[in-house]
Amino acid sequence: NAGVTQTPKFQVLKTGQSMTLQCAQDMNHNSMYWYRQDPGMGLRLIYYSASEGTTDKGEVPNGYNVSRLNKREFSLRLESAAPSQTSVYFCASSGPLFNSPLHFGNGTRLTVT
Amino acid sequence: AQTVTQSQPEMSVQEAETVTLSCTYDTSESDYYLFWYKQPPSRQMILVIRQEAYKQQNATENRFSVNFQKAAKSFSLKISDSQLGDAAMYFCAYRSGIMDSNYQLIWGAGTKLIIKP
Repeated sequence: NAGVTQTPKFQVLKTGQSMTLQCAQDMNHNSMYWYRQDPGMGLRLIYYSASEGTTDKGEVPNGYNVSRLNKREFSLRLESAAPSQTSVYFCASSGPLFNSPLHFGNGTRLTVT
Repeated sequence: AQTVTQSQPEMSVQEAETVTLSCTYDTSESDYYLFWYKQPPSRQMILVIRQEAYKQQNATENRFSVNFQKAAKSFSLKISDSQLGDAAMYFCAYRSGIMDSNYQLIWGAGTKLIIKP
């Protein structure tokens, strides 16, 4: 029972570098999410995907791109990292019902210097 | 727009005692869902309990229960017989019941719960 697998766990980038955060789920969920977590601010939605082939912007999409490669995988790309993107990133997935809980990956701690 | 407020940045409780974490929300909707998530130092986000707004009965999960006051827009979490493993950040979250809401959750800023042995 892997659930949501997110890689890498830690990453340090220099300003301007790019990277992709990978996420995969094995629960056959249609909905997948990318969040960032900053101290004192809870979780903020970056992008959302309701199903394979569709993506929507969340609250803080600037500076990020996403790809819903297939039903299992949803990646987040930083094209030109900035110090303001230093954060902990979480991938999550959920079932089809309104009361379906989110299942989270273990998070990626990203530091941009 | 909906908002979720957790007014207690930090709470502490003696082991085996009971603690209540507060959460209030602002919405004009009548159909919605509320959640409490726990984030221990391991960083993993874990669902603790959920409540459907249309249900009058308060949800319970073992030592965890909620006091859902729909008119007051309050959704507090009570932890009974606190254990050391309950030490974590606790987040309250709101999800609209409207179909085109894209299932997005609105999150509170969190409450850090400290358990004193």
